[in-house]
Amino acid sequence: DQQVKQNSPSLRVQEGRISILNCDYTNSMFDYFLWYKKYPAEGPTFLISISSIKDKNEDGRFTVFLNKSAKHLSLHIVPSQPGDSAVYFCAASGGWGGSRLTFGEGTQLTVNP
Amino acid sequence: DTGVSQDPRHKITKRGQNVTFRCDPISEHNRLYWYRQTLGQGPEFLTYFQNEAQLEKSRLLSDRFSAERPKGSFSTLEIQRTEQGDSAMYLCASSLAVGANTEAFFGQGTRLTVV
Repeated sequence: DQQVKQNSPSLRVQEGRISILNCDYTNSMFDYFLWYKKYPAEGPTFLISISSIKDKNEDGRFTVFLNKSAKHLSLHIVPSQPGDSAVYFCAASGGWGGSRLTFGEGTQLTVNP
Repeated sequence: DTGVSQDPRHKITKRGQNVTFRCDPISEHNRLYWYRQTLGQGPEFLTYFQNEAQLEKSRLLSDRFSAERPKGSFSTLEIQRTEQGDSAMYLCASSLAVGANTEAFFGQGTRLTVV
């Protein structure tokens, strides 16, 4: 039972343009959502998070949007840079799972110069 | 460096051998998590500790797996009688449990290859 899904395995964008990564979840008890970035042979690096009481959170070039009714969240990166090329994981916590994170499968973002 | 530290970074072992991994969390963090990641998948939760107490174990954690966190500081994850299916990246994360939600910070992982 995949409770967090990232339906796009890969995404390519041009440097300077917007990158939009999407994530859907099925467990309505999730109340905290996070995005992590992962380079090969390294652990995930925390990027940004959002609580279910909000619908938007911004941090520099990164903005996360949450649509609770659709059980959907997205990560916007503006402007995209070649150094942003990595695998991006969406994660969720809350409900019976407590603080443990449930991850999506990841989306490989490639930003072309 | 005050991040999460894992040792070793890589481990190659023969099937049937036992292996042990170590994780040193960020010093003030009271929660410590173990996850496993296989190719093309996101990390999957294995177990977590609050201080020295192991509060939850996933059904992925078979009886060949055991984790400890003596004194609530570093943690070890042992796999007995390794199988080829145990080959994966084992990730440790830590967090400071204040309030309802908090982000977890990950180490660089231990890559296990069972041959």
